[in-house]
This record gives sequence, structure tokens and C-alpha cells, in this order.
Amino acid sequence: AQSVAQPEDQVNVAEGNPLTVKCTYSVSGNPYLFWYVQYPNRGLQFLLKYITGDNLVKGSYGFEAEFNKSQTSFHLKKPSALVSDSALYFCAVRDRGSGTYKYIFGTGTRLKVLA
Amino acid sequence: NAGVTQTPKFQVLKTGQSMTLQCAQDMNHNSMYWYRQDPGMGLRLIYYSASEGTTDKGEVPNGYNVSRLNKREFSLRLESAAPSQTSVYFCASNGLITDTQYFGPGTRLTVL
Repeated sequence: AQSVAQPEDQVNVAEGNPLTVKCTYSVSGNPYLFWYVQYPNRGLQFLLKYITGDNLVKGSYGFEAEFNKSQTSFHLKKPSALVSDSALYFCAVRDRGSGTYKYIFGTGTRLKVLA
Repeated sequence: NAGVTQTPKFQVLKTGQSMTLQCAQDMNHNSMYWYRQDPGMGLRLIYYSASEGTTDKGEVPNGYNVSRLNKREFSLRLESAAPSQTSVYFCASNGLITDTQYFGPGTRLTVL
């Protein structure tokens, strides 16, 4: 069965420092991987995705993520955090071999950037 | 271009009451989804519709029904609401080419 794990409920980082939000996945085939962000009282917004090709994916607002097949991970990173990055971040996976457009989301990681 | 719209934004029900959550998208997407978001549980898929005329169960379908009325609209019905259905409900749609989900603003439902 497909699953996504976000091992940290909350990540705190000082403004200007690099940030990492972790995600590991389990799928039977090759994955499509996604990161979404949710600001308070809003729906989720797409940040970036990995489909194929370069393992380092760049997305919106200066975020990037690295696909690591051997570790089955897709960690979200940003070189220099901003207070405005504080939000809830979700990792998601779709099994490209399943033939369905069905996505599995992680439980979310709350990022808090301290001024 | 409004994207994904949901109505209502807030709703309070008593146990046993019924209601329908409405969702519409104007992006000509084939696939539409209903999720619920609960603290510590992330997003869980209730039902999805891969294309007009088809619906499939997700992870937590019990107590819900859906209707894909046409390509634009996908509604979620609670026939007999229970306190366990207190949650925030999100509708999403997905384009085959972009493989990216677009979410509505959510419906906050409280069942007393």
C-alpha cells in the first residue's frame, strides 16, 4: 500500500537559516512526488513536484526538493527561511503505475520561522 | 477564472441532519476529489472521480455519498451527520497534463 511519512510535526528555524522539512514515501512502483503548502484558513497550494529527470526540483517561493530513490525520500529545502514561510507543509505521492490519479498525503509538518 | 469554489464556507449541523457540500471547477479538469482534514491526520481522501460519470471510494468513504453532476461539479452528501464528521472538507481538481491538484478554500463543518 502507498504511504507517506512526515516524521516531524513541527520544525522551528530562525529567519535567514536554511530549512529542511522531511518526507519519506512507500509505493509499489515509481512515484510522482509533490509538496503543498497551507496557510491559515486556506486551501492547499502547489509548491513543486518530481515526475522524472533531475533529482533536484525547484519550485515556488525559492523552495526546492531532492528526490532520493535509494532512501525513498523527498525532503523540502530552502537556503534562507523567511518569517512568511511559516505555514503547514504537506508531502504527497501518486503511484504512476497504479493507473489512477489518486494521491496520498502525509500528516503535515508545521514550519515556524522565528524572527 | 475562479479555480475551485466550495459552498458553504461554514456549517453547523445537529446529529442526524443531512447536507450537501458543493464544489465546482472552471479549469476543464477531468478528475475531482473530496478530502477531509483533521488535526494530526493530514488530508484523507473520501471519494474521487477520475472522469465525468465515474466515482471511487477513497480511504474514509463511510457516511458519505458523492455525485459527479457534470464535468464541472462534484458534490459530497452527508445523509445522517455524526459528530465524528466534524472536520474541514476540501474539494480539489486535477488536470491530466499538469498532474497538479488545485484546492478549494474549504468548508468547516461542525456536527453537534
